[in-house]
Amino acid sequence: RKEVEQDPGPFNVPEGATVAFNCTYSNSASQSFFWYRQDCRKEPKLLMSVYSSGNEDGRFTAQLNRASQYISLLIRDSKLSDSATYLCVVSKSQGAQKLVFGQGTRLTINP
Amino acid sequence: DADVTQTPRNRITKTGKRIMLECSQTKGHDRMYWYRQDPGLGLQLIYYSFDVKDINKGEISDGYSVSRQAQAKFSLSLESAIPNQTALYFCATSDGTSGTYNEQFFGPGTRLTVL
Repeated sequence: RKEVEQDPGPFNVPEGATVAFNCTYSNSASQSFFWYRQDCRKEPKLLMSVYSSGNEDGRFTAQLNRASQYISLLIRDSKLSDSATYLCVVSKSQGAQKLVFGQGTRLTINP
Repeated sequence: DADVTQTPRNRITKTGKRIMLECSQTKGHDRMYWYRQDPGLGLQLIYYSFDVKDINKGEISDGYSVSRQAQAKFSLSLESAIPNQTALYFCATSDGTSGTYNEQFFGPGTRLTVL
């Protein structure tokens, strides 16, 4: 079983729609959680950290459920520029020193 | 200018050749990492270094070696390249001094093809 699992998609949604992804992790000792974004053939970049209380950054909302060991990302009012692969990332340490990456969920926003 | 640079950006080589991928950073970070990415798989950690004298194996270190020549430079070597090492390789850095949630910053990647 992979340590971090995501539905690879692809998700194809119309512009303006709301889309949500989930990710599950197997190591209950995991401490730090992130969503990274990766554009085609580019490097991953941090989208947002995920906190236990949930957090929001503009149109993006991240939630963590420690009991069920899953993380979610919600994108509201999706834009064409949101098209990318979204990587769920987990670390066993508070310092996020060693990251474990999911395979990514590919999202395409259609006009 | 990019904070994390990788050279070369693309490389095609033959089985059995020795290859070195180089990474340099101007962010002043102490921690550096090498990952590989294969289609349909997440990034996998090859090696990481928390300072010049600290080198650690990651999940998939077999067939690879590294050198931390300076705080700003971290090189990855394939001693005898084989076709299943064909992948996209990323270098990353992070600041280990500032506490929790240290973001990792990635270089642009090196696309390596082993024939």
